[in-house]
Amino acid sequence: SQQGEEDPQALSIQEGENATMNCSYKTSINNLQWYRQNSGRGLVHLILIRSNEREKHSGRLRVTLDTSKKSSSLLITASRAADTASYFCATEGSQGNLIFGKGTKLSVKP
Amino acid sequence: EAGVAQSPRYKIIEKRQSVAFWCNPISGHATLYWYQQILGQGPKLLIQFQNNGVVDDSQLPKDRFSAERLKGVDSTLKIQPAKLEDSAVYLCASSSTGPNEQYFGPGTRLTVT
Repeated sequence: SQQGEEDPQALSIQEGENATMNCSYKTSINNLQWYRQNSGRGLVHLILIRSNEREKHSGRLRVTLDTSKKSSSLLITASRAADTASYFCATEGSQGNLIFGKGTKLSVKP
Repeated sequence: EAGVAQSPRYKIIEKRQSVAFWCNPISGHATLYWYQQILGQGPKLLIQFQNNGVVDDSQLPKDRFSAERLKGVDSTLKIQPAKLEDSAVYLCASSSTGPNEQYFGPGTRLTVT
């Protein structure tokens, strides 16, 4: 069963704009991860935020976590055409495997 | 550091045929995962190995899917016989122990006709 659900399913923006994607999950977590998948490729890890953290930054990425609302958001600032990809949030299953949502498909137009 | 290797990258077979995928994880990574990703969805775990032992195969359709991890390094995933609904990308990932990020291979895109 899927744990995380991303919103929106698809997002189209112009280069230079910010992109915000949201993720909601159902059960308590130890951490939450965000991954990017370019078309036809494997997934690439972007950032991990632990349950006792509220915000984390990595370059142009900003992730927030609200455990009371069971939600997380990924913000990409000053987007570039190269950011075009699908973005997935993932939580850990009991054995350390990842449980993914359906993803947000981001399109950044030059 | 070399990444996770998978082969083949693409495979087209007819239903009821068999197929095998191969994965070579990052050196030293004890944990290996096989995921199935159907078009438009997120990856779904099929099986997880810790060294050469199975940790979780609860979502593996065992009547047709099998997997092994020889000597705790390389792994193969087999489908026999394939069905139309097995058309998907099969992703292999590896990680070191603990709550760490997973490293994914490029995947094998399977089309069953």
